[in-house]
Amino acid sequence: QIVLTQSPAIMSASLGEEITLTCSASSSVSYMHWYQQKSGTSPKLLIYSTSNLASGVPSRFSGSGSGTFYSLTISSVEAEDAADYYCHQWSSYPWTFGGGTKLEIK
Amino acid sequence: QVQLQQPGAELVKPGASVKMSCKASGYTFTSYWINWVKQRPGQGLEWIGDIYPGRGITNYNEKFKSKATLTLDTSSSTAYMQLSSLTSEDSAVYYCSTMRFAYWGQGTLVTVSA
Repeated sequence: QIVLTQSPAIMSASLGEEITLTCSASSSVSYMHWYQQKSGTSPKLLIYSTSNLASGVPSRFSGSGSGTFYSLTISSVEAEDAADYYCHQWSSYPWTFGGGTKLEIK
Repeated sequence: QVQLQQPGAELVKPGASVKMSCKASGYTFTSYWINWVKQRPGQGLEWIGDIYPGRGITNYNEKFKSKATLTLDTSSSTAYMQLSSLTSEDSAVYYCSTMRFAYWGQGTLVTVSA
């Protein structure tokens, strides 16, 4: 199965800061998808097919990458962005998720 | 609007089984795969398997092949997941998701306890 490794595991950011979360795949995938999960809630699709913003997602979120390396960037962190972020591939069964990055706001 | 309704919680005894539901509405049930995802407390997401309501096709994560069984009731637009021989390792929130993970249910918290 394709293993997705996210880094860092925990990130602390200041309001207004630009941050980048990364996701490395053990084998090449066609696309990467990203989810945001706030405490006690279901995951929410943020980015699909590497770089497409899901409906209602603020434009400060963006995604990029190809092959085995993908990233999620928040251009200007806001307080409401505090959450866990997961990358996800469904290019090859079994579908797999990264271990997650916890974003804390300073 | 697309909705996936899941019961909030199930309390089950060790060794028993549990069957949880995921009732879909707001879209054509038979057109999209339903996925099931496990999340243990404080942990990440694990894909269990998926089922295609249009044809009843299933795919399972090898890890869950002897644990989970996915079924459907297309007449009520409901997907089910049965978990068997429950242990404390099965205590988790279980989500259903559809339309390529764009929509998620609220999750069912399964607690395995005597």
